[in-house]
Amino acid sequence: DMKVTQMPRYLIKRMGENVLLECGQDMSHETMYWYRQDPGLGLQLIYISYDVDSNSEGDIPKGYRVSRKKREHFSLILDSAKTNQTSVYFCASSLLQGEQYFGPGTRLTVL
Amino acid sequence: QQNVQQSPESLIVPEGARTSLNCTFSDSASQYFWWYRQHSGKAPKALMSIFSNGEKEEGRFTIHLNKASLHFSLHIRDSQPSDSALYLCAVGNMGYKLTFGTGTSLLVDP
Repeated sequence: DMKVTQMPRYLIKRMGENVLLECGQDMSHETMYWYRQDPGLGLQLIYISYDVDSNSEGDIPKGYRVSRKKREHFSLILDSAKTNQTSVYFCASSLLQGEQYFGPGTRLTVL
Repeated sequence: QQNVQQSPESLIVPEGARTSLNCTFSDSASQYFWWYRQHSGKAPKALMSIFSNGEKEEGRFTIHLNKASLHFSLHIRDSQPSDSALYLCAVGNMGYKLTFGTGTSLLVDP
């Protein structure tokens, strides 16, 4: 069964704390993505990863960094979180330009 | 930078109606066109895709693509309450990046 997992599902942090969001997939997809979704703004691409240690900025990379050391695992890091980074974060994976499979999302609140 | 717009923002239709959702894009070199559906509190899930001009039907769902007019649409026949969701269109070109629209919120009234 093709699956994308995300941990944690819910997270509350204080402004200035570091945040680590983790994503895994069991489909051996080369390409993985991090998005954030805010009301009225749709899905905005933060970073795209084409394979291990091959990452590119998306449309809104400022304030975020990523790490991909294994094909099945992709992390999103917020160094010194800000209140405007409160959002729902989705990870996705795909095979080439095919369908993107999304994880269940992480709801992050930065106080 | 690709600009993807959806209309309408929200829509309420009676059960059994035909529903039409629209998406326009700005980059004429776009090659991949997707519709995703997202039920409340859930992950987006791909519904249908089309890669060349014309029409594609899968069950109650039909996509129309007109690259010359920078427009594609999703039509739902015999709308059901379970179709109530946020519908996101997405456009891609060379590379694996998709640009998503802001979505149309559909409510099918039983």
